Amino acid sequence: EVQLVESGGGLVQPGRSLRLSCAASGFTFDDYAMHWVRQAPGKGLEWVSGISWNSGSIGYADSVKGRFTISRDNAKNSLYLQMNSLRAEDTALYYCAKENFDYWGQGTLVTVSS
Amino acid sequence: QSALTQPASVSGSPGQSITISCTGTSSDVGSYNLVSWYQQHPGKAPKLMIYEVSKRPSGVSNRFSGSKSGNTASLTISGLQAEDEADYYCCSYAGSSLYVFGTGTKVTVL
Repeated sequence: EVQLVESGGGLVQPGRSLRLSCAASGFTFDDYAMHWVRQAPGKGLEWVSGISWNSGSIGYADSVKGRFTISRDNAKNSLYLQMNSLRAEDTALYYCAKENFDYWGQGTLVTVSS
Repeated sequence: QSALTQPASVSGSPGQSITISCTGTSSDVGSYNLVSWYQQHPGKAPKLMIYEVSKRPSGVSNRFSGSKSGNTASLTISGLQAEDEADYYCCSYAGSSLYVFGTGTKVTVL
């Protein structure tokens, strides 16, 4: 059974950093690209970033480019999102999703507030 | 990277068919057959309903179907049921390792 479990969310002040993790199991992690998708409270889905199986191709939404960094450790079956210079508008539930968005985690909540 | 445009809400009676549109541009929906659709119930993670424009994952009811014409993709739900009441989102590949989601549509079963 495919499982994606996000962690690392919490309350953080504007301008500070946070690192999210996504632990994957139930599939061959290093065969697939992975994504981060976020959803602000009461709002729609927003694709944040994606990374290919070998980290050779990476993409970012304009809203996070230059502030967020996606990475993965295939040996640990883990996906990461380093979030720097956080803003109030980054407050959201952050989901990790498998390559074709066919499997999603339950999300980790990030709240940016002073 | 502008969000794909969906109607804010669509409603229908049980048994009826409804269609949700998803309008993008020639840089995303119009260029790739990589449009997918997601159903999201309140407090739940999104669920993949359609991928690659019209393909259904195993376990998804055949009442859900997808299509595309030009820069607009569509999701049709036939034989509407109470359990179909949810938010629906489209998503398209936009080239250069980028993706874009739609604005979302709330489906109400009357």
